[in-house]
This record gives sequence, structure tokens and C-alpha cells, in this order.
Amino acid sequence: KNQVEQSPQSLIILEGKNCTLQCNYTVSPFSNLRWYKQDTGRGPVSLTIMTFSENTKSNGRYTATLDADTKQSSLHITASQLSDSASYICVVSPYYGNNRLAFGKGNQVVVIP
Amino acid sequence: NAGVTQTPKFQVLKTGQSMTLQCAQDMNHNSMYWYRQDPGMGLRLIYYSASEGTTDKGEVPNGYNVSRLNKREFSLRLESAAPSQTSVYFCASSVGPVTEAFFGQGTRLTVV
Repeated sequence: KNQVEQSPQSLIILEGKNCTLQCNYTVSPFSNLRWYKQDTGRGPVSLTIMTFSENTKSNGRYTATLDADTKQSSLHITASQLSDSASYICVVSPYYGNNRLAFGKGNQVVVIP
Repeated sequence: NAGVTQTPKFQVLKTGQSMTLQCAQDMNHNSMYWYRQDPGMGLRLIYYSASEGTTDKGEVPNGYNVSRLNKREFSLRLESAAPSQTSVYFCASSVGPVTEAFFGQGTRLTVV
């Protein structure tokens, strides 16, 4: 059973519009939750990292939120650009570390002009 | 600042051939990882090294071996490649087990 579920699997949005990606997880307790952006043919690049005590963190037009009580996180993209076309991966780090991160399958976002 | 460097970027192998994927990081990180990424699946951990001189199995270690040559380098070896090992392989590094991980550009491996 996947410990990190992301939705929607894919979406298409118009350039300039906003969108929100969802991540539900079951990892407990956890140390931090991360969002990565992966461009086609490239390695994942970190966007945000939040500890269990943080509710929100921003990185430019990307804003991540975390509700540790409901075990949900979201990534909001504001005023989307063509360069935002990518897969966005939610990753949860277990509290006890052990180097075994739990990865979601990713949200595939396509921004069209 | 190169970050995490993987070689080669692309490779085609015949079933039964062997090869080594190389990974080096210049961030003085303690932990290094090898993942594979397959269509429709999240990244899966093959092996990791928490520190120089130590290695541990991850979620999908069968068919692979690793070597933590020094603090900078962590290699992944396929002794006898199988078509099921066709995948994109990513090396990553981090200061420790719960800190941010930095990924390489990936190696796209095809086994025919």
C-alpha cells in the first residue's frame, strides 16, 4: 500500500491560471514533508520542505501547506508559466529517519498557452 | 558547483551484460542513495549509504550491488542485467537521513 497518494494524477491548465495539487500520506510519525519538481528527463529538484510543526512555506510562485492532523498537504502554483510543466512529487520523511523516504507517484502538470 | 553527477546519461545493455553506474557529489554529504524510477510508480530505493564505509539495502535491492568508494562516490553495479532492470536510475545525496536530498540528472538504462 502506497504511503503517499497524490491527486490529480495529471492536469492541464492555461498559462496564467492557478492550480492546487493534493498529497495525502499515512507515514506517522514523520519528520518532514517535501515537494519536488521534476522536469521531463531531469532529476527532481526541491521546492519546499516543511517539518511537522509548519503549516505553510513558499518558494516564489509555489506555496505548500501542511495539515499534520489530517495528514494532508497541498502545493499551490500561482500565475502558472509554461516552465511549470513538470511532475510534482510529494515526499515524506519518517520521523525515525532510516533513509527510507516515502515517495508519491507525482502530479503531472501541463501548462498550455 | 556540480552537485550530484551521474555517468553515463544513457546506456543500452544486452541481457546478461554487466555495468557500473557512477555517482559523485561535491557537497560533503554523508548520505548517498540509488533510486530507480519506472512509469506510473514513485521512486524506489535500491541501496543507500548512511556514511562512508556503510551500505544498506533499500526496497528493491535484488540484482544490484553498491560500493561507497569514499565520501564523494557511490557506485551501483548490475552484475547480470535483465530486461526488468530497464529504468531510469537516480543517485541522490543528503547531509543526513532527514535532510533535503539532492538528485543527479539520471541514467536512462535499457536492457534488451
